[in-house]
Amino acid sequence: DAMVIQNPRYQVTQFGKPVTLSCSQTLNHNVMYWYQQKSSQAPKLLFHYYDKDFNNEADTPDNFQSRRPNTSFCFLDIRSPGLGDAAMYLCATSRGESGYTFGSGTRLTVV
Amino acid sequence: TQLLEQSPQFLSIQEGENLTVYCNSSSVFSSLQWYRQEPGEGPVLLVTVVTGGEVKKLKRLTFQFGDARKDSSLHITAAQPGDTGLYLCAGASRGSTLGRLYFGRGTQLTVWP
Repeated sequence: DAMVIQNPRYQVTQFGKPVTLSCSQTLNHNVMYWYQQKSSQAPKLLFHYYDKDFNNEADTPDNFQSRRPNTSFCFLDIRSPGLGDAAMYLCATSRGESGYTFGSGTRLTVV
Repeated sequence: TQLLEQSPQFLSIQEGENLTVYCNSSSVFSSLQWYRQEPGEGPVLLVTVVTGGEVKKLKRLTFQFGDARKDSSLHITAAQPGDTGLYLCAGASRGSTLGRLYFGRGTQLTVWP
């Protein structure tokens, strides 16, 4: 089945140690998104790619970077994770204004 | 500032009861979507409504888009424990590029057997 896959499902990282989360899709959707979701809060858009065009939200910290080497893959890099970065990170894809297809998320813990 | 306000934030009911969840905004949306999210999983799309006044049914779930396209509701008839989850509404604003969605904070529904 076509889907969005996030790896790993659970990630524990040390305070200040760089970490990379990955997302892959088999839907051939041209738009990919990274969201951060904290407990009892709405998903917060960090950035998105339209094809190779990168769009950063104004309030996304510089600590968060992203790469999209090809249509299928997208990575979220957190250069120096802080305790406040512990959250569920959701990758999603879409084509136009169609509904999003989300991955299962990566639960990040910072120790 | 939350663009989309959902209410109630928490809802705990017995199996068999009916319920309605609301999603309100002062902004007009070109379309609105409802998602359900279970613990430890990503949200799953339930429905998209695009026309003012539109009503869509998905088994025991009824979704309505307001005439002015600023609000929406989700009604569940005879709730079951399997309906438990976080229900999120998300709107695509008019003129938004590339399908950018604005999410509400969600309604956490618990249905007890």
